[in-house]
Amino acid sequence: RKEVEQDPGPFNVPEGATVAFNCTYSNSASQSFFWYRQDCRKEPKLLMSVYSSGNEDGRFTAQLNRASQYISLLIRDSKLSDSATYLCVAWCFQGAAGNKLTFGGGTRVLVKP
Amino acid sequence: DGGITQSPKYLFRKEGQNVTLSCEQNLNHDAMYWYRQDPGQGLRLIYYSQIVNDFQKGDIAEGYSVSREKKESFPLTVTSAQKNPTAFYLCASLPRGGAGNSPLHFGNGTRLTVT
Repeated sequence: RKEVEQDPGPFNVPEGATVAFNCTYSNSASQSFFWYRQDCRKEPKLLMSVYSSGNEDGRFTAQLNRASQYISLLIRDSKLSDSATYLCVAWCFQGAAGNKLTFGGGTRVLVKP
Repeated sequence: DGGITQSPKYLFRKEGQNVTLSCEQNLNHDAMYWYRQDPGQGLRLIYYSQIVNDFQKGDIAEGYSVSREKKESFPLTVTSAQKNPTAFYLCASLPRGGAGNSPLHFGNGTRLTVT
């Protein structure tokens, strides 16, 4: 089983609609979580951190459920420019071994007119 | 502006040749990482380094080697032992203290094609 798993999609979303997807993680020692956005053939860029109490950044809402070991991302009022692959990342500090950041396989979102 | 520079952007090599991918950062970050991404896949960790002259294997280190002689530089060599080297390679860095409050900074990536 992969340490961080995501539904690869694609999620086909009508413009203006809401879409949500999850990411599950198996390492209960993971301390922090992030959502990155990756456009085709480009490097990933940080979309938002995920806080324990949940957090919102404009049209984007992230949630963390430690009991069930998943994080979620919800996009409201989808724009065509939201079409991308969304990668979730779990971070674990391993002492002398340093920081381990594990990426999920990504969820592809296609927003259509 | 500070950042991470990977070069070249596209690289073509013949099978059996070693090739070195460059990664330089001027962010004064301690930790540096190399990831590999295959089409439609997530990022897989190859090697990482927390400080100069020290590095650890990631999940898929076989067929790769790295060095960290300077804080700013973390080159990755793809050796002929790597069975499927064609991929998109991403270098990233983190400041001291880890990812808890700071995101990974990525370079623009190198797309390696081996034929």
